[in-house]
Amino acid sequence: GQNIDQPTEMTATEGAIVQINCTYQTSGFNGLFWYQQHAGEAPTFLSYNVLDGLEEKGRFSSFLSRSKGYSYLLLKELQMKDSASYLCAPMDSNYQLIWGAGTKLIIKP
Amino acid sequence: IAGITQAPTSQILAAGRRMTLRCTQDMRHNAMYWYRQDLGLGLRLIHYSNTAGTTGKGEVPDGYSVSRANTDDFPLTLASAVPSQTSVYFCASSEGTGVETEAFFGQGTRLTVV
Repeated sequence: GQNIDQPTEMTATEGAIVQINCTYQTSGFNGLFWYQQHAGEAPTFLSYNVLDGLEEKGRFSSFLSRSKGYSYLLLKELQMKDSASYLCAPMDSNYQLIWGAGTKLIIKP
Repeated sequence: IAGITQAPTSQILAAGRRMTLRCTQDMRHNAMYWYRQDLGLGLRLIHYSNTAGTTGKGEVPDGYSVSRANTDDFPLTLASAVPSQTSVYFCASSEGTGVETEAFFGQGTRLTVV
């Protein structure tokens, strides 16, 4: 079956760095997306990886290892507005997104 | 403002009633999706449409139906609502269905079936 595993909740301090891990098992693979979702709002796109390695986009970076079925999202210089849920979503062989339950990130001053 | 709009934003519905959730996008995207999001679970795909005139079943289609008469609109109908359909419903669209096609989401419809 298809399965996504990511921590339920993480806490970090403003200004620090946090890494949110995601492991996945899917039927085929066509890349992996990370989305951010603030409480009560819609998910918004953060990043996409289809090849192994690190993709950097400002304060956010995303890493992929296809052989390990593993990705992480790295957030630097944390700000209070980064408090949100982060959703890992690999795309399967049918180009359908398989969504994890999300990691709720709490930023403390 | 270009984007994807859902209506209503919230609704309390008596069990057994019929309800249609509306979704409209003005980005001329080919693909559209309906998801439900429940606490502790990931987004689950209900139905999708890769292009106008076609629809497909997702992971949890039972109790729901959709239509795609044109590019812009993708309504979701609950024929006879049950309490287990209490959820937050998100409509989304993407330019296509291939790789690296970012999905854009509506603001969601919070539905409570009592």
